[in-house]
Amino acid sequence: KAGVTQTPRYLIKTRGQQVTLSCSPISGHRSVSWYQQTPGQGLQFLFEYFSETQRNKGNFPGRFSGRQFSNSRSEMNVSTLELGDSALYLCASSLGTRAVTQYFGPGTRLTVL
Amino acid sequence: SQELEQSPQSLIVQEGKNLTINCTSSKTLYGLYWYKQKYGEGLIFLMMLQKGGEEKSHEKITAKLDEKKQQSSLHITASQPSHAGIYLCGAESTTSGTYKYIFGTGTRLKVLA
Repeated sequence: KAGVTQTPRYLIKTRGQQVTLSCSPISGHRSVSWYQQTPGQGLQFLFEYFSETQRNKGNFPGRFSGRQFSNSRSEMNVSTLELGDSALYLCASSLGTRAVTQYFGPGTRLTVL
Repeated sequence: SQELEQSPQSLIVQEGKNLTINCTSSKTLYGLYWYKQKYGEGLIFLMMLQKGGEEKSHEKITAKLDEKKQQSSLHITASQPSHAGIYLCGAESTTSGTYKYIFGTGTRLKVLA
């Protein structure tokens, strides 16, 4: 079974631009979660989608948004990029929500100049 | 809000030595996950513990969840260079009926050959 895939793997943007990251979950998984990882803050939860609905959201500003499609693929969008948005963005998929194992993708490294 | 504290933050051991990493929660844990991460890459699922007193092993790695379900330990026996990486514990945190996934700050392990 193919694992979680994320595209692109690396991205360089400038302040003020917007960016869209993509995540394809493991086949059969309906839940996708997004995380931001930085050296200072560690791994922080952004949001979780299940069956095209956002189930949960972390403490991030509204510039961070996401969506999930009927095939469970998910996208995350960050508008008006700031230098502090530079991070490794990870998505994870699972069969369902709550007390289930999450399987992580390789991440997208976003650099904001 | 619930937090996960990991100790030590970093560890350098000689190949063949045993080591232990701890993860302490400020609240009762309902599902504790251990992951390993190579720098700049995604997380690899190691083990999930749910019941107090539960212990699981995979190859040379053993994880335990204490009876009170507020602390977990990860023990590596006869460490090898392939064990090097960042170890993260994760859990669900519930606040006011909503939940989010939280992670510890990570323990960076280096194994000297």
